[in-house]
Amino acid sequence: GAGVSQSPRYKVTKRGQDVALRCDPISGHVSLYWYRQALGQGPEFLTYFNYEAQQDKSGLPNDRFSAERPEGSISTLTIQRTEQRDSAMYRCASSLEGIGRNNEQFFGPGTRLTVL
Amino acid sequence: GDSVTQMEGPVTLSEEAFLTINCTYTATGYPSLFWYVQYPGEGLQLLLKATKADDKGSNKGFEATYRKETTSFHLEKGSVQVSDSAVYFCALSPSYGGSQGNLIFGKGTKLSVKP
Repeated sequence: GAGVSQSPRYKVTKRGQDVALRCDPISGHVSLYWYRQALGQGPEFLTYFNYEAQQDKSGLPNDRFSAERPEGSISTLTIQRTEQRDSAMYRCASSLEGIGRNNEQFFGPGTRLTVL
Repeated sequence: GDSVTQMEGPVTLSEEAFLTINCTYTATGYPSLFWYVQYPGEGLQLLLKATKADDKGSNKGFEATYRKETTSFHLEKGSVQVSDSAVYFCALSPSYGGSQGNLIFGKGTKLSVKP
């Protein structure tokens, strides 16, 4: 079946603009995660959802970052008033369950965000 | 807080050489441990995992054993191939509280295998 998809794959924006990054998880997966990966680093946790409920947003760097998953499927990560330091690869992952034996996370291809 | 430390890369090996990529972790309780691989131009894929002490995860000739006494999860392969060239990430999933869902990653180790 289809894996996790993300769009756009590449986004170039000017400083101060808002951007919305989309994640479409594997059908039936309960949990959805957002990570940010700087060049040469491992992915860093931002937030995650079980169904439509945001369970943990402790990794969001500041209040310019927000995420939603209103119907428990597709999720949007929004960055307001972008800054150059927001430039990174943004990765989405989904898992059948959040914990336990079915918590393997399947990653999407990522969205490369460049803020000029 | 919980963290993962893995050996710095890049690592360059000849085909059929033995591979070890070291990974150690700091965590409270009993985390689950993972190795993810990122092939050029692709997303992260789970390579193997172990959920409790002394478990050995294995896949595609790669192995890693969950060693609680040394807080380690070193990745090994007896004979690497050119197709193993990729970036390898060690990760843990905490075992307590509200952060049970997220993964904590190391910085990644780039492996290049020469024919």
